[in-house]
Amino acid sequence: GAGVSQSPSNKVTEKGKDVELRCDPISGHTALYWYRQSLGQGLEFLIYFQGNSAPDKSGLPSDRFSAERTGGSVSTLTIQRTQQEDSAVYLCASSLRQTSGELELFFGEGSRLTVL
Amino acid sequence: SQKIEQNSEALNIQEGKTATLTCNYTNYSPAYLQWYRQDPGRGPVFLLLIRENEKEKRKERLKVTFDTTLKQSLFHITASQPADSATYLCALDPSTNQAGTALIFGKGTTLSVSS
Repeated sequence: GAGVSQSPSNKVTEKGKDVELRCDPISGHTALYWYRQSLGQGLEFLIYFQGNSAPDKSGLPSDRFSAERTGGSVSTLTIQRTQQEDSAVYLCASSLRQTSGELELFFGEGSRLTVL
Repeated sequence: SQKIEQNSEALNIQEGKTATLTCNYTNYSPAYLQWYRQDPGRGPVFLLLIRENEKEKRKERLKVTFDTTLKQSLFHITASQPADSATYLCALDPSTNQAGTALIFGKGTTLSVSS
């Protein structure tokens, strides 16, 4: 597609439920990133994928969070047993490749998660 | 500890003036620094990248400086317009190797330009 696509754009769930957020990166981009943005806060890095390399999961806040990337393209971020503090906008970004900050990131519009 | 800070949470200026936003970092030695714009309810959009060997970079009404001694980048918008009102984020790669890691972002400065 022309840009990074994320779905759903809004998700309201009850505490304790599992949620899945989807990201479809720009075609040909080998690097994919997930960030979280809470109200009034900056972007918090969660995880990134680069080609066939093992993902960098160092930003995942707990073992309730996981992500996978199938076929080097679409990625799914899963949050199990959601908590109210998980409420945030989850942003996905992609870039041509993962380098030392030399390339710009292209962001999707985000998935706004509200946990009641 | 490693930090990236944008000094002002909010900046209010009048149309036509120059807006100057500050980004400071500690305990990093980034080879590049990036600036993004984020409008409410939208994802960030890339504006400019500056390399460590570049002191200044310009794009239309935008100017970015990068002082690796002060560990600071300044972002200027000249002849500001109400349409420039948005949150501006600085970002850098915290690693020192070529493989790199994910960009880390400051919390942003929300600019409001009044007419």
